[in-house]
Amino acid sequence: GQQLNQSPQSMFIQEGEDVSMNCTSSSIFNTWLWYKQEPGEGPVLLIALYKAGELTSNGRLTAQFGITRKDSFLNISASIPSDVGIYFCAQAKVGGSQGNLIFGKGTKLSVKP
Amino acid sequence: GAGVSQTPSNKVTEKGKYVELRCDPISGHTALYWYRQSLGQGPEFLIYFQGTGAADDSGLPNDRFFAVRPEGSVSTLKIQRTERGDSAVYLCASSLGTANTEAFFGQGTRLTVV
Repeated sequence: GQQLNQSPQSMFIQEGEDVSMNCTSSSIFNTWLWYKQEPGEGPVLLIALYKAGELTSNGRLTAQFGITRKDSFLNISASIPSDVGIYFCAQAKVGGSQGNLIFGKGTKLSVKP
Repeated sequence: GAGVSQTPSNKVTEKGKYVELRCDPISGHTALYWYRQSLGQGPEFLIYFQGTGAADDSGLPNDRFFAVRPEGSVSTLKIQRTERGDSAVYLCASSLGTANTEAFFGQGTRLTVV
């Protein structure tokens, strides 16, 4: 079935370091979404990408929609303690409705002050 | 309200019991979604409403799960004859319902079946 492979599974970094994580799929998609989830909260949308090759920034976050349309990466520059959380990539399910999203398993980010 | 509200925040129930989980979407949002998140996993789609009707219920795992949205606002997820494997965080989200509009998630209801 349709699956998203996220890596790395977890990251332990020092405050101030840059972070990079990615998501790959065997299928081609038209949208890539990146969410962040903090403990006890629901996911919050960080960046949405709608076109192959698109590079979008949101503050210290930058995400790119891979040219092959099968991958995407998320970078965080100059990490701070509040970046701690789980980062998920997500896709609309092929043949599904707009609300039917497939999520990766997440990258858990820990930042040491 | 300001955001998506889910009640209760926590629910502990005995195996075999019936439970109802409530979601109050953001005012004016026509689309409403239910997801289930198990420990260490990403959210898994259950059902999507556009207005009062279920536009996509392909994620409901079996006939013990049912959801309603009778007036196109508040939604209730109903689970009959609960099993220990139903233990998870149940997330609700809402959006304006048009293409490429952001879905806003609630904090979830943590269901524990003992």
